[in-house]
Amino acid sequence: QQQVKQSPQSLIVQKGGIPIINCAYENTAFDYFPWYQQFPGKGPALLIAIRPDVSEKKEGRFTISFNKSAKQFSLHIMDSQPGDSATYFCAASMGGNEKLTFGTGTRLTIIP
Amino acid sequence: KAGVTQTPRYLIKTRGQQVTLSCSPISGHRSVSWYQQTPGQGLQFLFEYFSETQRNKGNFPGRFSGRQFSNSRSEMNVSTLELGDSALYLCASSFNRAGGAGAQYFGPGTRLTVL
Repeated sequence: QQQVKQSPQSLIVQKGGIPIINCAYENTAFDYFPWYQQFPGKGPALLIAIRPDVSEKKEGRFTISFNKSAKQFSLHIMDSQPGDSATYFCAASMGGNEKLTFGTGTRLTIIP
Repeated sequence: KAGVTQTPRYLIKTRGQQVTLSCSPISGHRSVSWYQQTPGQGLQFLFEYFSETQRNKGNFPGRFSGRQFSNSRSEMNVSTLELGDSALYLCASSFNRAGGAGAQYFGPGTRLTVL
């Protein structure tokens, strides 16, 4: 019940396309859902986060869509660029608790 | 503001030894969490410290321990190292405002190799 399931494991998209990464959770006590981007040799960098009281949040080219009834959330990257090639992780936490439960990651490749 | 810093960046140890890793959070952040990242298990939560107290602990053996100092800097220690402890150890800090989990910012990690 503590898991966060992430798909796909890897994704190849042409420059300018819109990669979509999906995550699903079981525990309805989760109330904070961040997305992280990680480049090789670096720590994860916070991209964008959402709470269950909104269905969508945009920050620059990154959008989170949140479906509370389906217990799913997804990351969309608009106008994707080769520099967006990285591993993306979804995560979840609950009740003001700093413990993040991470998805398994998606390796995204944007081809020119 | 300076980001989260971790030292050392790389460590090589042998089985049975112990190791101490250090983390300096973003200025003003009071919560420090530690994560282990491996190709097989992904990112797993170790523990979290707030105001020098451990608030949360993940599912790791007692060989993994940590502490936090009054200036919010944190250390984690792994005793009796095993080959499976080879991993990237990540520290994250947050302000942890009241009413909800705060945004967590990660450091670059310490790459531990156990031979």
